[in-house]
Amino acid sequence: NAGVTQTPKFQVLKTGQSMTLQCAQDMNHEYMSWYRQDPGMGLRLIHYSVGAGITDQGEVPNGYNVSRSTTEDFPLRLLSAAPSQTSVYFCASRGQNTGELFFGEGSRLTVL
Amino acid sequence: AQKITQTQPGMFVQEKEAVTLDCTYDTSDQSYGLFWYKQPSSGEMIFLIYQGSYDEQNATEGRYSLNFQKARKSANLVISASQLGDSAMYFCAMKSGGYQKVTFGIGTKLQVIP
Repeated sequence: NAGVTQTPKFQVLKTGQSMTLQCAQDMNHEYMSWYRQDPGMGLRLIHYSVGAGITDQGEVPNGYNVSRSTTEDFPLRLLSAAPSQTSVYFCASRGQNTGELFFGEGSRLTVL
Repeated sequence: AQKITQTQPGMFVQEKEAVTLDCTYDTSDQSYGLFWYKQPSSGEMIFLIYQGSYDEQNATEGRYSLNFQKARKSANLVISASQLGDSAMYFCAMKSGGYQKVTFGIGTKLQVIP
């Protein structure tokens, strides 16, 4: 059972570079989301989606883009990376009527 | 606006003792859900327990129970008979709002002492 799969697990970028964090789930979940985790700040919601074609902003959306063309995939794009985006990123999903949020393993991004 | 507050940055507990981790929440919604997650030093997020706002009984899962006090807007996690493996960060979270998005608190670091 794959669950929620995030790639890459580690990435180092230079300021101004772009990249995409991939997230895929095989549980047919409608809800998918991206969080960033920074020391002392918990997990902060970046963007979320409640189905294909529907996305919305969370608490810290600036500098990040998302799209949801399929139920399975929810990529997170950094168009011009900044050192402030150095963080651990988690993708998570859940079904419409379930409580539990299923997490990926996390992606550690460093922007130099 | 939805908000989760965890006021205990760090906690210590003796092995085999019980411990309560505090969580208060703020939402104007009638329908919402509350979660607790554990994050060990290895970094993965482990689901512990869930309580819906309409659930009349407090949720329990093995040694974990959620002390849900709706009027006080609190959802404290109680861990009974602490074990060394319980040492980790613990996050309280809430799903609410039209799309039931999930927001997290800043976490409590629990250390179990032998």
